[in-house]
Amino acid sequence: DTAVSQTPKYLVTQMGNDKSIKCEQNLGHDTMYWYKQDSKKFLKIMFSYNNKELIINETVPNRFSPKSPDKAHLNLHINSLELGDSAVYFCASSQVRRLAPVSYEQYFGPGTRLTVT
Amino acid sequence: AQTVTQSQPEMSVQEAETVTLSCTYDTSESDYYLFWYKQPPSRQMILVIRQEAYKQQNATENRFSVNFQKAAKSFSLKISDSQLGDAAMYFCAYRASGTYKYIFGTGTRLKVLA
Repeated sequence: DTAVSQTPKYLVTQMGNDKSIKCEQNLGHDTMYWYKQDSKKFLKIMFSYNNKELIINETVPNRFSPKSPDKAHLNLHINSLELGDSAVYFCASSQVRRLAPVSYEQYFGPGTRLTVT
Repeated sequence: AQTVTQSQPEMSVQEAETVTLSCTYDTSESDYYLFWYKQPPSRQMILVIRQEAYKQQNATENRFSVNFQKAAKSFSLKISDSQLGDAAMYFCAYRASGTYKYIFGTGTRLKVLA
């Protein structure tokens, strides 16, 4: 019963290719996120969707395009891959509830290690 | 802008000993949430502990506890009776109430020595 799942977990591809990473959460959360973690382990937020609406769009090359077909899914498509795109990409979800069960933390997927050669 | 600072890139602790990881943050908000996440070599991000800013009592989860000093904007994590499985990257994170954005620190790598 994985709460946040991502596919694939590993992705090796060549420069110039287009690839997609898929994310699904079964927690009933309204908000989903994409993060990029570089080789120094720094976590950088890329995008966030709330109920299928884009609410956070950080400074990310427009080769990256998120899509949320419904609130349980958030996919990331990357065009014309570059060497610098090599990283681990994390999907996460959250839901703020102040009444029991209280919740405001993020739950992360297992990450997708993208290697561009 | 809100920021989260972890000033210790790396820490070491002897097995069974206690270690404290530091985190400071900058915000003008009064209502917010703070978190510590653990990332072991498996790379899975695991929530360790969370704290609501409006609660004065420090959160505890088994061997993990925090020292939350709201006025000083400090949120340190204490790990007691350290175990080999505690070896990981630890990230401090902040979220202002009413916003969607989580802000992460740069992480502290914890090594546990047998």
